[in-house]
Amino acid sequence: EVQLVESGGGVVRPGGSLRLSCAASGFSFDDYAMSWVRQGPGKGLEWVSGINWNSGSTGYVDSVKGRFTISRDNAKNSLYLQMNSLRAEDTALYYCARASAAGLDYWGQGTLVIVSS
Amino acid sequence: AIQLTQSPSSLSAFVGDRVNITCRASQGIGNELGWYQQKPGKAPNLLIHAASSLQSGAPSRFSGSGSGTDFTLTISSLQPEDFATYYCLQDYNYPWTFGQGTKVDIK
Repeated sequence: EVQLVESGGGVVRPGGSLRLSCAASGFSFDDYAMSWVRQGPGKGLEWVSGINWNSGSTGYVDSVKGRFTISRDNAKNSLYLQMNSLRAEDTALYYCARASAAGLDYWGQGTLVIVSS
Repeated sequence: AIQLTQSPSSLSAFVGDRVNITCRASQGIGNELGWYQQKPGKAPNLLIHAASSLQSGAPSRFSGSGSGTDFTLTISSLQPEDFATYYCLQDYNYPWTFGQGTKVDIK
């Protein structure tokens, strides 16, 4: 069974940092690209960042470029999102999702990030 | 970045109705578009990939069509469990982008 479990969310002050993790199981992690998607309170889905299977290609939404860094450790079946210089508008539920040829076919349950003073 | 514009932003329908939701891309994206359903408090669920391919496990009343810039999600006969918010997502190139969502509720 495919499982994606996010962790690392919490409350942080503006300008602070957090590192989100996503532990993957039930599939060959290094065969798949991965993405982070977020959803602000009462808002729609926003694709944040993606990484291909071997970390050779990454992408970011413009609003997080230069502040967030996606990475993965295939030996640990884990995906990460390092978030620096956090802003109030980064407050959201952050989902990790598997990116197959069919799109984002498996999702975790999300980890909540609150940026507040 | 490629922008996706969904319409309508919300709709009310009866059980049994046929429902169409459209998604327009700001530039051609081939068939690199998926449709997702999200219910309150839950993670999104993939329904359609490559514009018109039904994802394994998704009910056959869902179908997708289109290519290039104009896409449609159709629910042939709305069921009570289909009341949810629907999003399109382009995975043509980075940064991927979602439409703003269409909330479908009971009339």
